[in-house]
Amino acid sequence: EAQVTQNPRYLITVTGKKLTVTCSQNMNHEYMSWYRQDPGLGLRQIYYSMNVEVTDKGDVPEGYKVSRKEKRNFPLILESPSPNQTSLYFCASSLGVYQPQHFGDGTRLSIL
Amino acid sequence: AQSVTQPDIHITVSEGASLELRCNYSYGATPYLFWYVQSPGQGLQLLLKYFSGDTLVQGIKGFEAEFKRSQSSFNLRKPSVHWSDAAEYFCAVDGNQFYFGTGTSLTVIP
Repeated sequence: EAQVTQNPRYLITVTGKKLTVTCSQNMNHEYMSWYRQDPGLGLRQIYYSMNVEVTDKGDVPEGYKVSRKEKRNFPLILESPSPNQTSLYFCASSLGVYQPQHFGDGTRLSIL
Repeated sequence: AQSVTQPDIHITVSEGASLELRCNYSYGATPYLFWYVQSPGQGLQLLLKYFSGDTLVQGIKGFEAEFKRSQSSFNLRKPSVHWSDAAEYFCAVDGNQFYFGTGTSLTVIP
């Protein structure tokens, strides 16, 4: 089954403790991206990657890192999480730019 | 700069009534436009997309949308709403980066 898999689905942690949210897709998609969803703000793009080893900042990249060492994986790293990063995060992938994106089920992060 | 505006934060309709959700975009070139739906606790599912050609596009679940370049709009419509359509709807424009609107929450009353 074609899917985008995020882990964990839920995480409660404390300020400053490094964490990684994994994202994996099995559709051989070139393009992957991360979003955060906050009430009243919709989805905002954090980072995106058009191909392996190519990543670019989205609208809200501060406090986040990503890497794309393999086509299928695109982890989101919070080196020193802060409470304002408490949010619902989505990973997505697509065949390329201008193509519909397939979304994971989301990861709800709470930073205390 | 690219942007998407969904003027209606929340809409309530009766089951069986028609629906129109508004979306206005700002983009310098020909836009690639999408509508997504998000059910509670779920990820986003693509309803339909517009790339070029016919300005009236059909999607899944009986939805359609009309692209109007002169009005910079891409409104979503459905002739008869079902209770299962209650969800959050997002319009998006793709210009290298993906931009989403803030969403419209749809409530369907029996």
